[in-house]
Amino acid sequence: AQTVTQSQPEMSVQEAETVTLSCTYDTSENNYYLFWYKQPPSRQMILVIRQEAYKQQNATENRFSVNFQKAAKSFSLKISDSQLGDTAMYFCAFMKHLGETSGSRLTFGEGTQLTVNP
Amino acid sequence: DTAVSQTPKYLVTQMGNDKSIKCEQNLGHDTMYWYKQDSKKFLKIMFSYNNKELIINETVPNRFSPKSPDKAHLNLHINSLELGDSAVYFCASSPDSGKISYEQYFGPGTRLTVT
Repeated sequence: AQTVTQSQPEMSVQEAETVTLSCTYDTSENNYYLFWYKQPPSRQMILVIRQEAYKQQNATENRFSVNFQKAAKSFSLKISDSQLGDTAMYFCAFMKHLGETSGSRLTFGEGTQLTVNP
Repeated sequence: DTAVSQTPKYLVTQMGNDKSIKCEQNLGHDTMYWYKQDSKKFLKIMFSYNNKELIINETVPNRFSPKSPDKAHLNLHINSLELGDSAVYFCASSPDSGKISYEQYFGPGTRLTVT
């Protein structure tokens, strides 16, 4: 079974600064996907960024980028130029595809509550 | 247009009651899921269905029964509600093909409070 660990329950950052959220995972799979989801107070789950394990290049989405270290099973999220709207709970998630007609299985970390201060 | 919708968004009920949460997706996806988010915000898969067939069935009390009348709907019925069932329940869906990442799209969640 896969496990996902986020060792930082809470973090804070000043507006416009950069912050990095940590995530490690444990798996024996070789093909999988990793995600960061954001959950603001509205509780909607919003996909921030995705990474396919077979891709060596780190994914980027505007101010969000990841540092994917497959051998170390590490998947950290860097938020640049932090904005007040980035305040949310951030979840790291591991996805294993179950087959062509079986969907997938998402395993979430415990979450990191990020607060961006003005 | 709402992609994954859930009704109701809030549900307050008493112990022992039976309740249902409905989920619908208009994305044409093949697989639908139910997740439970507890008071510590931990998210855990409960069930998944692919074209009305049960795929994932985690260790969940028998009081929880998913029902999928068609591939666009996955409802969650809970019998004899207990205080510990209070949580936020999320529905999600994903495609079988066409998107390499098989990303799951989440509904807005249903906050269930059992008193």
